[in-house]
Amino acid sequence: EDQVTQSPEALRLQEGESSSLNCSYTVSGLRGLFWYRQDPGKGPEFLFTLYSAGEEKEKERLKATLTKKESFLHITAPKPEDSATYLCAVQGYNFNKFYFGSGTKLNVKP
Amino acid sequence: DTAVSQTPKYLVTQMGNDKSIKCEQNLGHDTMYWYKQDSKKFLKIMFSYNNKELIINETVPNRFSPKSPDKAHLNLHINSLELGDSAVYFCASSHRQGGQPQHFGDGTRLSIL
Repeated sequence: EDQVTQSPEALRLQEGESSSLNCSYTVSGLRGLFWYRQDPGKGPEFLFTLYSAGEEKEKERLKATLTKKESFLHITAPKPEDSATYLCAVQGYNFNKFYFGSGTKLNVKP
Repeated sequence: DTAVSQTPKYLVTQMGNDKSIKCEQNLGHDTMYWYKQDSKKFLKIMFSYNNKELIINETVPNRFSPKSPDKAHLNLHINSLELGDSAVYFCASSHRQGGQPQHFGDGTRLSIL
């Protein structure tokens, strides 16, 4: 069964302290892996799509990478405004379905 | 302009009642979705419609009935509400069936007393 596991559940960083979030997945025929940001009381906001192992995408302080079994979201020199829950999702052979992880709640202290 | 809008944002009601949540998208997308986000933050797909046609119905109780009057609207009606229905319900849309990325509304928090 297609599945997504994210770790850690929560992460507290000091402003400027770089770190990585992990997304491990099992899926039949990966069509895409997605990263979303979710702020409290809001819907998920799309960040990146990765399609194949070795691919990398960057946006400001965020960089997403993909291997055959997992994806990392690297956060370089984070700021308090980066505080949010980061969700990972995969789309497999059944392209109509997207499977989400439970997210990593990031808190960046000034 | 809000791309995907849901109403109401909060819904507090008694067990056994019937309620509806409305969703509208102004992105011109063909496909719309309903997701349920539980207390552990897992987003699970419930339904998907493509051009008003149901394409996904994920083992959801019959008490939940989606309706798509046109491709810009997907409403969710829930009969005989139960305590376990308490959650945040998100509507989303994508350009086409299986299209990426999905655009989400801000959710409807349903609380059953």
